[in-house]
Amino acid sequence: DQQVKQNSPSLSVQEGRISILNCDYTNSMFDYFLWYKKYPAEGPTFLISISSIKDKNEDGRFTVFLNKSAKHLSLHIVPSQPGDSAVYFCAANRVFGNEKLTFGTGTRLTIIP
Amino acid sequence: DSGVTQTPKHLITATGQRVTLRCSPRSGDLSVYWYQQSLDQGLQFLIQYYNGEERAKGNILERFSAQQFPDLHSELNLSSLELGDSALYFCASSVGLPDTQYFGPGTRLTVL
Repeated sequence: DQQVKQNSPSLSVQEGRISILNCDYTNSMFDYFLWYKKYPAEGPTFLISISSIKDKNEDGRFTVFLNKSAKHLSLHIVPSQPGDSAVYFCAANRVFGNEKLTFGTGTRLTIIP
Repeated sequence: DSGVTQTPKHLITATGQRVTLRCSPRSGDLSVYWYQQSLDQGLQFLIQYYNGEERAKGNILERFSAQQFPDLHSELNLSSLELGDSALYFCASSVGLPDTQYFGPGTRLTVL
């Protein structure tokens, strides 16, 4: 049962443009959402998170949007840079429940110079 | 560098063998999590420890066990290894419950 889904396994974006990565979840008990970035042969690196009490959180070039009614979140990267090429995982958990993270299967983002 | 260390980086062993993976959390972090990433898969949660006590279990096989020691480092023991156990094993740590998890570089296990 895939509770967190990233339906696009890959995405290519021109350098300088906006990258939009999408994530859907099915468990309405999730109330904390995170995005991680992963380079080959490295562990995931935390990027940005959002609590379910918010619908937007920004950190520099990264913005995460949460639509609770649609059970959908997205990560916007603008402007996209070559160093952003990596696999991006979204993850979710329940803040005051079981604290394990449930991950999506990842989206491989390639920034084209 | 997340501050989480994992050893060894690579491990090659044979079916039926037993291995131990080690994780040292970030300084001050009390919670340790273990995840498995098989080829082209997302990260699957295995087990969590908080200040030495098991906190939560995921899809961890009975052949696998873990523990967190008084100095807060953790070990994941994998026994009776099968070909399908070949994967990346990640450890993550956080300050407490709940908190953002920070990941180590992983141990790549190859079972031949």
